[in-house]
Amino acid sequence: GAGVSQTPSNKVTEKGKYVELRCDPISGHTALYWYRQSLGQGPEFLIYFQGTGAADDSGLPNDRFFAVRPEGSVSTLKIQRTERGDSAVYLCASSLWGTGANVLTFGAGSRLTVL
Amino acid sequence: TQLLEQSPQFLSIQEGENLTVYCNSSSVFSSLQWYRQEPGEGPVLLVTVVTGGEVKKLKRLTFQFGDARKDSSLHITAAQPGDTGLYLCAGLRRNNNDMRFGAGTRLTVKP
Repeated sequence: GAGVSQTPSNKVTEKGKYVELRCDPISGHTALYWYRQSLGQGPEFLIYFQGTGAADDSGLPNDRFFAVRPEGSVSTLKIQRTERGDSAVYLCASSLWGTGANVLTFGAGSRLTVL
Repeated sequence: TQLLEQSPQFLSIQEGENLTVYCNSSSVFSSLQWYRQEPGEGPVLLVTVVTGGEVKKLKRLTFQFGDARKDSSLHITAAQPGDTGLYLCAGLRRNNNDMRFGAGTRLTVKP
C-alpha cells in the first residue's frame, strides 16, 4: 500500500483479555518495527523484524507480549492477559532494507485502552 | 534509562522567537534522525544526519550532528504556530539496525 496501515485504530478491552494488533507495512519494505508510546513520551522500542525473523526483540516488556511476521509482510503484535499498564498507543513502522540511513515510515498507531 | 536524552522536555515560546532543542547520548550512532509528531498521528521524518559535524538546513530548521556522533541539535528560527508539535530524535546504533527514540520535546508556539 501507499503507507503503513494499522488496525484497529482504537481498541478497548478488559483486564485479562487477549489482544491482537495488526500492521500492514509499505509494500517491499523488509524491516518492520513495533513501538509503544505512552502519553507525553517518545516511542519505546519493542521489537524489530528483518523479513520473517525477529532481529531484535529486546524491547518486549515480558512474555505476555509476542509478535509475528510469518510471510515477511503483515505483522501481528499479540498481548496476552492484558493489564492496565499496557494501555498506550502501539506504533508500527517499516523501512526499506539497505538504505543506510534506515528511514522509518510510521502508521497512525493503534490506541489500546485496558479497563 | 533513555538511550537518548532530549532537552528541554517542554518549551513554550512566542511566535517569532528562536529556539534550540538538544538530543544527547553516551552511545555512538551511525545516523540520527529528527521526527515531528502531531496528536493522533505517527512521527514524520524531518531529516537524517549521517556524518559527524554535519549540518543540514530545512527552511527555518537547522540540524546538527555532533562531531563524535553522540549528540544532535535542532534550531528553529522565527518559530511559527505551525511548528507546534512533539519533536523526537532517534538514533541508529552502530552494529544494530534498530532505531531508538528519545522522550521528545513538546514545543508550543503561541501566536
